[in-house]
Amino acid sequence: ETGVTQSPTHLIKTRGQQVTLRCSSQSGHNTVSWYQQALGQGPQFIFQYYREEENGRGNFPPRFSGLQFPNYSSELNVNALELDDSALYLCASSTPGASTSTDTQYFGPGTRLTVL
Amino acid sequence: GESVGLHLPTLSVQEGDNSIINCAYSNSASDYFIWYKQESGKGPQFIIDIRSNMDKRQGQRVTVLLNKTVKHLSLQIAATQPGDSAVYFCAEKAQGGYNKLIFGAGTRLAVHP
Repeated sequence: ETGVTQSPTHLIKTRGQQVTLRCSSQSGHNTVSWYQQALGQGPQFIFQYYREEENGRGNFPPRFSGLQFPNYSSELNVNALELDDSALYLCASSTPGASTSTDTQYFGPGTRLTVL
Repeated sequence: GESVGLHLPTLSVQEGDNSIINCAYSNSASDYFIWYKQESGKGPQFIIDIRSNMDKRQGQRVTVLLNKTVKHLSLQIAATQPGDSAVYFCAEKAQGGYNKLIFGAGTRLAVHP
């Protein structure tokens, strides 16, 4: 176990709705990254938070947004859900260090989102 | 563009044999590479990593080889066990900037008794 936890485990929403996913990082980690993993594919980087600020973003539209809290936990929010948003959403936390450092990312179990 | 290419094969091996999983990457500026194992219904699990200033790194039953000349990465698993059955991903991080990982599509390893 990595110590990274995510909630909920599974979620079913309908198109157009909004969703919030949560992640608690491993103790001592101050960087959280979010990834989207479609079925049969590798994870795709959404964005990363370091010290409560977004410090990097992948090719995802603005309706994907996030937050990081003082305890380093994080939320991923998705507005106006589309069918293609159905995926496993993974968060990963990293060991302390500068945002440009090379550090290992440890993943949580993911949240399975189904959009109907 | 950036890509880490795993042409999603299924590698079938007999229990006790050695397994070799291959990965090609396209960004010559990448300086850090990681192998993850993902079992069904779980998040990716860190296996081993290697920096671009190294050619080889060994862990417990696993070895990662990096060939920067041809931008190729491989994961060798010795004495493969049924518990090794999973999808394996390689990921790369570009030099500098924030810690964004680029994953390939994965290779499924099936271990038969």
